[in-house]
Amino acid sequence: SQKIEQNSEALNIQEGKTATLTCNYTNYSPAYLQWYRQDPGRGPVFLLLIRENEKEKRKERLKVTFDTTLKQSLFHITASQPADSATYLCALATDSWGKLQFGAGTQVVVTP
Amino acid sequence: EPEVTQTPSHQVTQMGQEVILRCVPISNHLYFYWYRQILGQKVEFLVSFYNNEISEKSEIFDDQFSVERPDGSNFTLKIRSTKLEDSAMYFCASSELGGDQFFGPGTRLTVL
Repeated sequence: SQKIEQNSEALNIQEGKTATLTCNYTNYSPAYLQWYRQDPGRGPVFLLLIRENEKEKRKERLKVTFDTTLKQSLFHITASQPADSATYLCALATDSWGKLQFGAGTQVVVTP
Repeated sequence: EPEVTQTPSHQVTQMGQEVILRCVPISNHLYFYWYRQILGQKVEFLVSFYNNEISEKSEIFDDQFSVERPDGSNFTLKIRSTKLEDSAMYFCASSELGGDQFFGPGTRLTVL
């Protein structure tokens, strides 16, 4: 199966700055890659999905890029706010059935 | 906005007992999933369900586990004889087309 790596160290960032998170994977390219937000004790919340033939996706202050050559996705939160503080999970799906394989997540802490 | 619901929010059981975790997926979704997350660890795929049958299951999903869609709205996960290591958060998810998945709030299962 895939090995999915996300920064294990928490990302501490000042309000208003851009947070950039990395997701690296090994082996074969996924059919699509998703980013989720998870708050303590809660279920993952879907944010963005990007397919293997797409380079970039945006939604409001969020941007995802996907480089299948580097086997990497970057997730950006622009103009970050304290409410963006959470753990962000990268998840890969290799087929249309949608079984997701998750990374361990990166915690983001936005300070005023 | 439609959402996935799960009951109970917390289930405490004795080792060896049977538990049933319940989920109501989003009504027009066709794909259903169960995941689990042991405290401090990654979200792990258990099983996917489509067209009234299991489409894929992980090695975690052994003979002690079963899923059912008893009616048009509920989706259940049964653990026949719980073990200590089954203690985890269990998340149900649903998807319209097998892409972005929407997760429920989870059931915290504690096996004593």
